[in-house]
Amino acid sequence: KAGVTQTPRYLIKTRGQQVTLSCSPISGHRSVSWYQQTPGQGLQFLFEYFSETQRNKGNFPGRFSGRQFSNSRSEMNVSTLELGDSALYLCASRVGTSGKETQYFGPGTRLLVL
Amino acid sequence: EDQVTQSPEALRLQEGESSSLNCSYTVSGLRGLFWYRQDPGKGPEFLFTLYSAGEEKEKERLKATLTKKESFLHITAPKPEDSATYLCAVPSYYNTDKLIFGTGTRLQVFP
Repeated sequence: KAGVTQTPRYLIKTRGQQVTLSCSPISGHRSVSWYQQTPGQGLQFLFEYFSETQRNKGNFPGRFSGRQFSNSRSEMNVSTLELGDSALYLCASRVGTSGKETQYFGPGTRLLVL
Repeated sequence: EDQVTQSPEALRLQEGESSSLNCSYTVSGLRGLFWYRQDPGKGPEFLFTLYSAGEEKEKERLKATLTKKESFLHITAPKPEDSATYLCAVPSYYNTDKLIFGTGTRLQVFP
């Protein structure tokens, strides 16, 4: 069974631009969570989607948004990029039954903002 | 506030020198504790889930244990390929979709 896939793996953008990252969860699973990982803050929760609905959102500005499609693929968008948005962006697929779920992570997208 | 603290931040071991990594947590109610391994530039790789105090899980040279306030990841006779950052995480009590991560322990094992 294929794992979580993320594209692209690397991106270089400049301040003020916007970027869209893509994530495909484990086949057959409908939940996708996004995290930002930086050396200073570690892994922080961005948002979670289930069946095309955003169910939860972390403490990030409105420049960070996302969506999920009917095939469970998810995209994350960051508008008006800032230097501090440079990070590894990870998505995860939740597997298991309610109360006993595990999040499996993809390889991440490394974003560098210049 | 839910919180996870890991120690030490970094650990250097000689090959074969056993040691333990610590993860202490503060949550309103524990709904599982997760251990992940992360290699540089890669996503976290799932290792273990523990749900109740006294529970233990093992995988090769790794053994995870859980008490009411902390978890330990014991590494027995480590090899250089065990070098990685080890992360622990707990689900937020009020939002179980959200994992709260510690800052990790960076382990280096030298031959």
